[in-house]
Amino acid sequence: DGGITQSPKYLFRKEGQNVTLSCEQNLNHDAMYWYRQDPGQGLRLIYYSQIVNDFQKGDIAEGYSVSREKKESFPLTVTSAQKNPTAFYLCASSIDGQGRSFFGQGTRLTVV
Amino acid sequence: SQQGEEDPQALSIQEGENATMNCSYKTSINNLQWYRQNSGRGLVHLILIRSNEREKHSGRLRVTLDTSKKSSSLLITASRAADTASYFCATGLGGYQKVTFGTGTKLQVIP
Repeated sequence: DGGITQSPKYLFRKEGQNVTLSCEQNLNHDAMYWYRQDPGQGLRLIYYSQIVNDFQKGDIAEGYSVSREKKESFPLTVTSAQKNPTAFYLCASSIDGQGRSFFGQGTRLTVV
Repeated sequence: SQQGEEDPQALSIQEGENATMNCSYKTSINNLQWYRQNSGRGLVHLILIRSNEREKHSGRLRVTLDTSKKSSSLLITASRAADTASYFCATGLGGYQKVTFGTGTKLQVIP
């Protein structure tokens, strides 16, 4: 069953902690993306990757880091430098960045 | 920055009615896509229309694109309660594209 999987579904972070959100796809897609969604708002691009071992900053990359060591995996780390990390995080992939994106079910991160 | 802006921000209709939502964007695009998001879930791709196309249909969905006005519309005919969701337009800028999403229209279909 092909698709894109995000974990965990809910995540709680204490002040000053780094946390890592997982995103795995078995669609053999080259392009992968991380978005942040705040209540009642659209999606803002954090980072994207066109190919393994390469990634680019999106519109709101500050306080976040990513890696792309494998084609299937694009984890996002929310660092302590991100001052307002509470949000819904969505990972997506597309075959070549040219069209349709497939989304995971999201991770809701809350700072406690 | 967000390229697309949907209008209206919220829409409430009775089941069976048609729902129309609009998207305006600022720069030239390669294609425009529409997605649906149920509350607390990921986005689901609905339809993609290329910049050289003017209209596209998929089931109860009809999408139009007017590149001269930099706008698109999504029409859902004979709406159902299950269509209740937020709808987003997304624009692709060509080449290796960075797809940019709008702010969404929240549709409520009342049974």
